Amino acid sequence: EVVLTQSPGTLSLSPGERATLSCRASQSVSSRQLGWYQQKPGQAPRLLIYDASSRATGIPDRFSGSGSGTDFTLTISRLEPEDFAVYYCQHYDSSPSAFGQGTKVEIK
Amino acid sequence: EVQLVESGGGLVQPGGSLRLSCAASGFTLSRYWMHWVRRAPGKGLVWVSRINDAGTDATYADSVKGRFTISRDSAKNTLYLQMNSLRVEDSAVYYCARDGVATIPFDSWGQGTLVTVSS
Repeated sequence: EVVLTQSPGTLSLSPGERATLSCRASQSVSSRQLGWYQQKPGQAPRLLIYDASSRATGIPDRFSGSGSGTDFTLTISRLEPEDFAVYYCQHYDSSPSAFGQGTKVEIK
Repeated sequence: EVQLVESGGGLVQPGGSLRLSCAASGFTLSRYWMHWVRRAPGKGLVWVSRINDAGTDATYADSVKGRFTISRDSAKNTLYLQMNSLRVEDSAVYYCARDGVATIPFDSWGQGTLVTVSS
C-alpha cells in the first residue's frame, strides 16, 4: 500500500507569490496515477491535476504539476486570493486509493 | 450538468447503523466506478470504499472492512453506503465521488453528509 507524505504542512504566503507543494510516495508510482485536489472550507474537493501534470477541465494555467517516481510537485505560479485552501495529492487507479495528509496554503 | 447529492448523515450512538445515499444526476451511475471518501474534523481526506461500473466488485479500506457495504441502485441512479457497528472514529463528512474516464480520477464530488458517532 502506497503512503503519500505531503510537505510542508502549512505554507504561509502572500497573494502574487509562488507556492510549491511537495508529495512524496513511499514507493514508486506511475505518473498516470497521481493527482492533486483543492479543498476550501465547507466545500467538496476539486480535481486540479491528474496524470501528475495534466490540468483538469477549467483549471487555470497558474496551476501546474510535475514529478515522477516518488517525488511530485504542485506549483501555483502566482497566488490569487481564491487559491488559499488545503491541497491534497492522491494515488489512484489502485485499491486502496491513498491521499496525502494535505498542505494548507494560508495568507501570510 | 453532473451532480451528486449525499444524504442520510446524522447523529448515531456507537454500535449503531446508518445508510448514506448519493443521488446522481446528469450521468448514468452504472457507467462509472464510484467511491466514498471521508474527512474527519481537523483531519485530511481518507478513501473509504469503491464499487466498479458493473457493480460486481467492491473494495474497502481496512478500517471499515466488514462493517461498511457499498452498493448502488441503477434504477434510482443512486449510490449507497451501509454503515454498521459504527465507532466514534467513523465521525466525519462523507463524500461520494465519481471516477473519471481513462486515467482521470475523482472528477465530480458531492457536497458531503456529516456523520457523528457519539453517546
